[in-house]
Amino acid sequence: ETGVTQTPRHLVMGMTNKKSLKCEQHLGHNAMYWYKQSAKKPLELMFVYNFKEQTENNSVPSRFSPECPNSSHLFLHLHTLQPEDSALYLCASSQVGTGGRNSPLHFGNGTRLTVT
Amino acid sequence: GEDVEQSLFLSVREGDSSVINCTYTDSSSTYLYWYKQEPGAGLQLLTYIFSNMDMKQDQRLTVLLNKKDKHLSLRIADTQTGDSAIYFCAESKGPGGGADGLTFGKGTHLIIQP
Repeated sequence: ETGVTQTPRHLVMGMTNKKSLKCEQHLGHNAMYWYKQSAKKPLELMFVYNFKEQTENNSVPSRFSPECPNSSHLFLHLHTLQPEDSALYLCASSQVGTGGRNSPLHFGNGTRLTVT
Repeated sequence: GEDVEQSLFLSVREGDSSVINCTYTDSSSTYLYWYKQEPGAGLQLLTYIFSNMDMKQDQRLTVLLNKKDKHLSLRIADTQTGDSAIYFCAESKGPGGGADGLTFGKGTHLIIQP
């Protein structure tokens, strides 16, 4: 098993569909992240979960809804998306230590989302 | 300007050294990272440096940090075709590398000429 696994690898959905992206980490980390990677733009941090609590929501539209049922699993629920939401969605995990010391982020291979 | 800036493209000949540069704005950054992304894949951590260091070497990779100028570089010695990828510079927000994710540059496409 690779460290961080994302499914599906590719997803095509219409604007009225509801779908979910899944991420699972096998590294024993306690923090998980969703990033959005669009062409010609820096990676954008969307959500952070630390010990299953959401600690960051970077002004992400409500059509993106994260869920973190435990420290190993992270979901991104999608509904009523727009074509401009087409991008590579990357999941990452890290170990947050005491005193704010963090291990580096480990990324999955991403889900390539196309909204038609 | 952007919080983390990189050139978008770098072209080098196979066997030469590649030097990828990055500048950042947050003086409180405590960790600086280099990630590599190959086509169709996620980001792979290459190396990172703590802000109280000015150099780190790991096999063919050398990271140099000029904290005064907020400038980070990644040197790849003896560049090979397998090094062709996008290289991202990233810095941690806030002190101590907190749990609020990293800020990335747009990435530098490293192109290897035969």
